[in-house]
Amino acid sequence: DAGVTQSPTHLIKTRGQQVTLRCSPKSGHDTVSWYQQALGQGPQFIFQYYEEEERQRGNFPDRFSGHQFPNYSSELNVNALLLGDSALYLCASSRLGLAGYNEQFFGPGTRLTVL
Amino acid sequence: GIQVEQSPPDLILQEGANSTLRCNFSDSVNNLQWFHQNPWGQLINLFYIPSGTKQNGRLSATTVATERYSLLYISSSQTTDSGVYFCAVPSNFGNEKLTFGTGTRLTIIP
Repeated sequence: DAGVTQSPTHLIKTRGQQVTLRCSPKSGHDTVSWYQQALGQGPQFIFQYYEEEERQRGNFPDRFSGHQFPNYSSELNVNALLLGDSALYLCASSRLGLAGYNEQFFGPGTRLTVL
Repeated sequence: GIQVEQSPPDLILQEGANSTLRCNFSDSVNNLQWFHQNPWGQLINLFYIPSGTKQNGRLSATTVATERYSLLYISSSQTTDSGVYFCAVPSNFGNEKLTFGTGTRLTIIP
């Protein structure tokens, strides 16, 4: 049973460029969440996708956008990159349940460096 | 929003020692997860524990939801236990965002 996968592993971009990160959820999961983890801090929620729609969004600017595909995989896009966007980007998957919260499982992350 | 605090922020122990990590949260929650982040950044699920006590090998966790805290116990520490430990709680509206604590950095010395 494959876990959550992310690509690429590492990425180096320059200020002003655009980047796309990809995530495939764990088998049987239908919900994907994205988190940003700056050095020395805990992960911060960016947004969550279910049924190809954004369900909830954290405190991130519109430069951060996403998409979910019919196979439940997801992309995170960041436009007009800033130095402060350098971070580890984590994808988590879960199965939306009627009873409320379900356990989230994380991928290995994509480390983005903006120069 | 909900606030999550962890203590201690740093812990350095000799191999074989036991440790207790604490997670306090500011509001009632319907669940809680503990994670271990290894040196490569991977978040590894340790426990999914809304209340009560769970054990998995040398690790155990207890959540007292009514008093808004959770404890993670590590016994007979090994060098592979080194890393950062996070607790995280969801919002109260279902399968939504996790709010992470500040983390405890554990270093096990051989």
